[in-house]
Amino acid sequence: AQSVTQLGSHVSVSEGALVLLRCNYSSSVPPYLFWYVQYPNQGLQLLLKYTTGATLVKGINGFEAEFKKSETSFHLTKPSAHMSDAAEYFCAVRTNSGNTPLVFGKGTRLSVIA
Amino acid sequence: KAGVTQTPRYLIKTRGQQVTLSCSPISGHRSVSWYQQTPGQGLQFLFEYFSETQRNKGNFPGRFSGRQFSNSRSEMNVSTLELGDSALYLCASSFNSGNSNEQFFGPGTRLTVL
Repeated sequence: AQSVTQLGSHVSVSEGALVLLRCNYSSSVPPYLFWYVQYPNQGLQLLLKYTTGATLVKGINGFEAEFKKSETSFHLTKPSAHMSDAAEYFCAVRTNSGNTPLVFGKGTRLSVIA
Repeated sequence: KAGVTQTPRYLIKTRGQQVTLSCSPISGHRSVSWYQQTPGQGLQFLFEYFSETQRNKGNFPGRFSGRQFSNSRSEMNVSTLELGDSALYLCASSFNSGNSNEQFFGPGTRLTVL
C-alpha cells in the first residue's frame, strides 16, 4: 500500500524567503504524485502533479517540485514566498496502475510572516 | 464551467441520526470520490465511483455508504451518527477513473454531530 509522509505540520517563512515543504512517499510500484493547496473554508486545489517524463514539475503560483526516485521524495518549493501563499498544503500519491485510491499526507500549514 | 458543488455546506445533527450529503461533479466528469477531513486524521478516502459503480472503498465502517446516479451526481449516507463523525466531507470529481487524472474538489460539507 502506498503512503505519504510530510515532514513538519507547520512551516513558517518570511515574505520573500524560500518555501520548502517536504514530502516522502512509499509505493511498491511507480507512483503518480500530487501537491494540493487548501485555503480556509475551501476545498483543495491542484498545484502540480508528476506522472511521467521530466522529474522537475512546474505548477501554478510559482511553485515547483522535483521527483527523486532514489530518495522517494517530492518536495515542493517556491523561490519567494508571498503573503497569499499562507495555506495548508497536501502531498498525495497514487499508483500508476491498478485500482488504488489517492492517498494524502497529513498536510503542512504554511505561515508567511511580513 | 461550473465547479464541483456540494450540498448542504453546513449540517448539525445529533448522535444516532442519519445524514445524506450530495455532490454534483463538473459537467462531463464521470468519476466521483469522497473524503473525510478531520484535524486528527487528516484526509481519509471514503469511496470512489465511476459510471455508477463503486470502484474503490476506504477503511470505514458500514455505516458509511454511497452511490452514484446516471447523471454522475453522487450521494453519501452516514447512519447512526457518532460524535467522531464530525468532520469536513469533501467530494472530488475527475474526467474518468485514470489514476493520473487531477481531482477537482468541492468546498465540502461541514458536519457537526452533537
